[in-house]
Amino acid sequence: GQNIDQPTEMTATEGAIVQINCTYQTSGFNGLFWYQQHAGEAPTFLSYNVLDGLEEKGRFSSFLSRSKGYSYLLLKELQMKDSASYLCAVLDSNYQLIWGAGTKLIIKP
Amino acid sequence: ETGVTQTPRHLVMGMTNKKSLKCEQHLGHNAMYWYKQSAKKPLELMFVYSLEERVENNSVPSRFSPECPNSSHLFLHLHTLQPEDSALYLCASSQDLGLASYEQYFGPGTRLTVT
Repeated sequence: GQNIDQPTEMTATEGAIVQINCTYQTSGFNGLFWYQQHAGEAPTFLSYNVLDGLEEKGRFSSFLSRSKGYSYLLLKELQMKDSASYLCAVLDSNYQLIWGAGTKLIIKP
Repeated sequence: ETGVTQTPRHLVMGMTNKKSLKCEQHLGHNAMYWYKQSAKKPLELMFVYSLEERVENNSVPSRFSPECPNSSHLFLHLHTLQPEDSALYLCASSQDLGLASYEQYFGPGTRLTVT
């Protein structure tokens, strides 16, 4: 079966750095995605990785290792508005998005 | 502005009611999706439409009936639902299917409660 694993909840301090991990086992791989979802709102696209390595976009970076079936989302200089759920998803060989259950990130002052 | 709207935002219905959820996208996309999101569970893909034709139905119970009258509108008709169907129902769109499907634009969702 296909499976995406990510921690259920994480807590971090404002101004700090946090890394949210995602491991996956899917039938084929056409890229890995991170979405952000604030409570009561729509998920919004954050990043897309299809090649190994680190992609940086402002305070957010996303890393992929295809051989390890592993990715992480790195958030720097945390702000209170970063409190949200972060969803990891993999595009499989049938071009369907397989979703993780999401990681709820709580930022404390 | 997300470009994808959903109505109603909240819905409470009894198990014998019939209701419909509406989704509209203003992005000129060709593919639209219905997802179910339950607490602490992964997003569940329910239906996929491409150019108004259904291309995916992930073993969804027949009490959920989708309708796509044109590429901008998507409906989910509900009847004789069960309490376990209570969830957030999200609509999404993407430019096309395949590789272009990865960047999906989501609506704010309809919070459905079945009593």
